[in-house]
Amino acid sequence: SQQGEEDPQALSIQEGENATMNCSYKTSINNLQWYRQNSGRGLVHLILIRSNEREKHSGRLRVTLDTSKKSSSLLITASRAADTASYFCATEETSGSRLTFGEGTQLTVNP
Amino acid sequence: DAGITQSPRHKVTETGTPVTLRCHQTENHRYMYWYRQDPGHGLRLIHYSYGVKDTDKGEVSDGYSVSRSKTEDFLLTLESATSSQTSVYFCAINSDRGQNQPQHFGDGTRLSIL
Repeated sequence: SQQGEEDPQALSIQEGENATMNCSYKTSINNLQWYRQNSGRGLVHLILIRSNEREKHSGRLRVTLDTSKKSSSLLITASRAADTASYFCATEETSGSRLTFGEGTQLTVNP
Repeated sequence: DAGITQSPRHKVTETGTPVTLRCHQTENHRYMYWYRQDPGHGLRLIHYSYGVKDTDKGEVSDGYSVSRSKTEDFLLTLESATSSQTSVYFCAINSDRGQNQPQHFGDGTRLSIL
């Protein structure tokens, strides 16, 4: 069963707008990670937020984590056409070093 | 980019034939993983390894076996391929520190079983 569920499944915005993607999960976690996948390529790690952290920034990315609601969000500010990709959340459960991935959000940024 | 090479990148084969996919890393990382990616399912873990000759099953291990005789190589074998195993397969690695570390992915193998 999927641990992370993402919302929305697809998102289409204009360049310069902000994009927000949400992830919900079910069990206790060590951390939650966000990955990006361009078409035909492997996943690229974006950001990792530990269970004792509430917010983390990396460039134009902002990730929040609410462990009481078992949810996370990824905000991409001032989006660019090059941000077009699929974005996945993944949770590392407290039981080990394995990750469980959500189904992803397909982001399209129109020029 | 992490030094991960998957081979082959594309393969077409027939039902019932054996298939072996290779993941090679140059990072000397302890942990290696095999995932499959299918529409509507995201990435699902098949098998993983936490050291030479140390492997364990993931979420969707039926029909797959793995071997790790060297730190740098992790092989995924489909003993008798079925059409349901048509998928894109990704290898990933993780640093020696294990937990709370990101995984680094190869570019995948697109496998079609006719």
